[in-house]
Amino acid sequence: GAVVSQHPSWVICKSGTSVKIECRSLDFQATTMFWYRQFPKQSLMLMATSNEGSKATYEQGVEKDKFLINHASLTLSTLTVTSAHPEDSSFYICSANSRGDNQPQHFGDGTRLSIL
Amino acid sequence: AQKITQTQPGMFVQEKEAVTLDCTYDTSDQSYGLFWYKQPSSGEMIFLIYQGSYDEQNATEGRYSLNFQKARKSANLVISASQLGDSAMYFCAMREGPWNNFNKFYFGSGTKLNVKP
Repeated sequence: GAVVSQHPSWVICKSGTSVKIECRSLDFQATTMFWYRQFPKQSLMLMATSNEGSKATYEQGVEKDKFLINHASLTLSTLTVTSAHPEDSSFYICSANSRGDNQPQHFGDGTRLSIL
Repeated sequence: AQKITQTQPGMFVQEKEAVTLDCTYDTSDQSYGLFWYKQPSSGEMIFLIYQGSYDEQNATEGRYSLNFQKARKSANLVISASQLGDSAMYFCAMREGPWNNFNKFYFGSGTKLNVKP
């Protein structure tokens, strides 16, 4: 089945640091990838849709300048949390659609971000 | 209105018994897909089962089956013979419309299942 790889799994860093998270589709081309944020014991909240070769589409309330998304190739999307603060601490998870009505969104394993 | 509603924040089930996790959805599209995911405490999202809106039979995958009642707009997940490893969060999700590159998935709030030994 389709595999999505997300890196890193864990990040702990100081306030003010920028953090980059990578999401790769390993065995299929992903024109579109999705970035979610999840707080403990809550559902996934869609932050943005990442489109290869064009600007990302952000959901209402998500700061574009805080969460920079780049989708430079058909297999790689990156999310950069700029000047991170403790309130940005969360679980971030990416996904991609593979072709077909019966295909689920395939998820990376997620990144736990802790800002001290 | 919520696209996906899961009304059970938490459920307990005895090991080896069956359990039903509820999910209702809201869409005016004729073509859509319904999905269930399992999220253990480690965080990864594991795809369990899919039901297409035009599928006449309920989907089954091993111990998982989906009780699809289209008129009621419900897509309940049934787990038979529960195992301790089934303890996790379970999310119901929907893709509106036929597949395309840009489909968003809508997720429910999740149900935390605890399997008791």
